[in-house]
Amino acid sequence: GQNIDQPTEMTATEGAIVQINCTYQTSGFNGLFWYQQHAGEAPTFLSYNVLDGLEEKGRFSSFLSRSKGYSYLLLKELQMKDSASYLCAVTYSGNTGKLIFGQGTTLQVKP
Amino acid sequence: SQTIHQWPATLVQPVGSPLSLECTVEGTSNPNLYWYRQAAGRGLQLLFYSVGIGQISSEVPQNLSASRPQDRQFILSSKKLLLSDSGFYLCAWSRGTSEQYFGPGTRLTVT
Repeated sequence: GQNIDQPTEMTATEGAIVQINCTYQTSGFNGLFWYQQHAGEAPTFLSYNVLDGLEEKGRFSSFLSRSKGYSYLLLKELQMKDSASYLCAVTYSGNTGKLIFGQGTTLQVKP
Repeated sequence: SQTIHQWPATLVQPVGSPLSLECTVEGTSNPNLYWYRQAAGRGLQLLFYSVGIGQISSEVPQNLSASRPQDRQFILSSKKLLLSDSGFYLCAWSRGTSEQYFGPGTRLTVT
């Protein structure tokens, strides 16, 4: 199978830093995406990692280790509007761009 | 710039009735197109994807079908809806295996 595993829920405080982990099966791995989804809305693209290392985009960063089958999304200077679900998704070789999604991590930011 | 449209935004249908959801993409040509379903509190499940006109791949056997009559049009259909078809239906597009961009979604309730 191609299970994508993420924690179900996380809670953090406004202004803090939070790290959301994602693990996946490495065989045939092509690339990893992170999406943000606010309640009742469509997912929006955050980041794409295909090589090992850290990709930084403003307050959000995403890290990938291909050999370990591991990624994390790092959110800095948390704001209340960051309360949302964060979806990890993976593409595998030969899958014609199909995304395999994890169940998502619901992040609640508290004042 | 590229935009993706879905309609209707919400739909309430009785069990056994037919279904037709439409998705169109503007500002790009020959996109990959995808239909996902998200049940309440669950992750995204890929239903169908298409790499070209008339080319449809089904991911999950069910009473739904998809068609791509034009390059930038993707239609999801059913002849007879089941209660289990309720959910949030999302259409997405991508250029090859790059990131996918989602439409606003259709919230379907089967009663």
